[in-house]
Order: sequence, then C-alpha cells, then structure tokens
Amino acid sequence: AQSVTQLDSQVPVFEEAPVELRCNYSSSVSVYLFWYVQYPNQGLQLLLKYLSGSTLVKGINGFEAEFNKSQTSFHLRKPSVHISDTAEYFCAVSDLTGNQFYFGTGTSLTVIP
Amino acid sequence: GAGVSQTPSNKVTEKGKYVELRCDPISGHTALYWYRQSLGQGPEFLIYFQGTGAADDSGLPNDRFFAVRPEGSVSTLKIQRTERGDSAVYLCASSPYGGPGTGELFFGEGSRLTVL
Repeated sequence: AQSVTQLDSQVPVFEEAPVELRCNYSSSVSVYLFWYVQYPNQGLQLLLKYLSGSTLVKGINGFEAEFNKSQTSFHLRKPSVHISDTAEYFCAVSDLTGNQFYFGTGTSLTVIP
Repeated sequence: GAGVSQTPSNKVTEKGKYVELRCDPISGHTALYWYRQSLGQGPEFLIYFQGTGAADDSGLPNDRFFAVRPEGSVSTLKIQRTERGDSAVYLCASSPYGGPGTGELFFGEGSRLTVL
C-alpha cells in the first residue's frame, strides 16, 4: 500500500513571496503523484500530476512540483503567491493500476496581504 | 451538468437513522469513486466503481456502508444505523478512464453529513 505525509498542516506566507509545500510518500511499487487544491466552499481540483517523464511538472496557476525518487518527495512550489492562492492543498499518490488513490492530510496555505 | 453533482449538499440526521447520498458523475465517465473527509483530514478512500461493478470496496469501514451504481452512471452511498462518528463530508469523483493513473479525478463539492 501507499501512504502520503504532508509535513506542514498550515503555511502562512506573505503575498508575492515564494512558497514550498512539502509532500513525502511511501510505496514499495512505482507510483503516480498528484497535487489537488480545494478552494473555500469548492470541490477538489487537480493542480498537477506526475505520471512519467520529466521530474519537473508544471501545473495551473503557476505552480510546479518536482518528483524526487531517491528522497520519495513531491514538493509543490510557486515563486510568487497571490491572495487567490489561499486554499487547502492535498498531495496524493496512486499505484499504477490507479484503483486506489491515497491523500495526505492537507496543507492550509494562507496568503497574507 | 458539466461537473460531478452531489446531493444533498447538507444532511442532518439522528443517530440510528438511514441515509442515502447521491452522486451524478460527468457524462461518459466510467470510473466513480467515493471518499470520506473528516475535519482536518485528507479524503479517505471508500469504494471505486468501474461501470456498474464495485472494483474495490476495501475502504468501506463496516457493513453499515454500502454503495450501488446500477446503470453505470449515478451512484448512491447508503449508510445504515448512522453513528455520530459517521459525520463527515462525503466526496464523489469520476474519471473517464480505468483509474486515476491514466487521467485525473473530477470531484463534486461533497455532501456534508452531520449525525446528532
């Protein structure tokens, strides 16, 4: 089975500052990795995903993440955050069959004006 | 509609009652998932349908929980003899493929269940 650890439950950051949200996973098999975002009172939506190929993945709204197999990490980054980035961010992992999809406990990002 | 629709958006019930939560996936999506999200937690996998059949129900916590998808589109999550610990947001997601590894999950806004 796979599992996901999001190391920071809350991350406050000033507007226009860079941010990194950390995600580590555990798995004995190859995996796919995802970041989802949940804005207030909305459903989860996909931010970006790593399936194969380049380890640097770019997503929507200027976010990117890097898959590091040796460190079993998939940290999410943005060079300059906006107020509208305030949301809950979830890292997720699945095995290659995709039948199960495991989420981390989430990181609440608050962008301070 | 264009997205995944879940009803009701909010449900308050008393301990011991029976509850049904409905999910209407995106048209044409063959895969459908149910998750449960408790306060401060990430979504917890419950069950996955491929077409009409439950391909994986290993996440259902006990036999009070049951889900169906009789015609391969709309799904209903059924909870019998509800307990206060069942209070959570129940999320439904659909995917056009056989699993999230080949695509992405499209989520509804969830059904918030409160058991008094």
